[in-house]
Amino acid sequence: KAGVTQTPRYLIKTRGQQVTLSCSPISGHRSVSWYQQTPGQGLQFLFEYFSETQRNKGNFPGRFSGRQFSNSRSEMNVSTLELGDSALYLCASSFFLDYEQYFGPGTRLTVT
Amino acid sequence: AQSVTQLGSHVSVSEGALVLLRCNYSSSVPPYLFWYVQYPNQGLQLLLKYTSAATLVKGINGFEAEFKKSETSFHLTKPSAHMSDAAEYFCAVKASRGAGNQFYFGTGTSLTVIP
Repeated sequence: KAGVTQTPRYLIKTRGQQVTLSCSPISGHRSVSWYQQTPGQGLQFLFEYFSETQRNKGNFPGRFSGRQFSNSRSEMNVSTLELGDSALYLCASSFFLDYEQYFGPGTRLTVT
Repeated sequence: AQSVTQLGSHVSVSEGALVLLRCNYSSSVPPYLFWYVQYPNQGLQLLLKYTSAATLVKGINGFEAEFKKSETSFHLTKPSAHMSDAAEYFCAVKASRGAGNQFYFGTGTSLTVIP
């Protein structure tokens, strides 16, 4: 079974721009969660989607948004990028009511 | 609410020595607990999980962890370190009921294995 895939793997953007990251979960998994990982803050939860509905949201500004499609693929969008948004963005999928989350390799976003 | 504390942001062990990575949790409901490993430029890989069955949990690559409710701990151990164990290790907690699927991660422990 293929793992969680994230595209692109690396991205360089300029402050003020917006960016969209994509995540394809493991086949059959219906829940997708997003995390931001930085050296200073560690892994921070962004949001979780299930059946195209946001179920949980972390403590991030409204510039961070996401959505999930009917095939469970998910995208997250960051508008008006700031230097502090530079991070590794990780997507994780799980089968609803199951416990484990399986992580993708991440998208490394650099904001200059 | 759930939270995790990992004691020691950096741990160094000699090859062949015991690996002990510490994790203490806080949870308002019975927790599910996990250990993940992250190699450079990669995502997180599940090492093992505790979901209220046996308190001693065995995972991949020879790692195991013991759930101790009285100590609110879930320390990760491996009897003999290999060079390939050098990585970042994360402990995570999730509520066993309610609260969706949100995981709370510790700040991580970087393991160095000295040849």
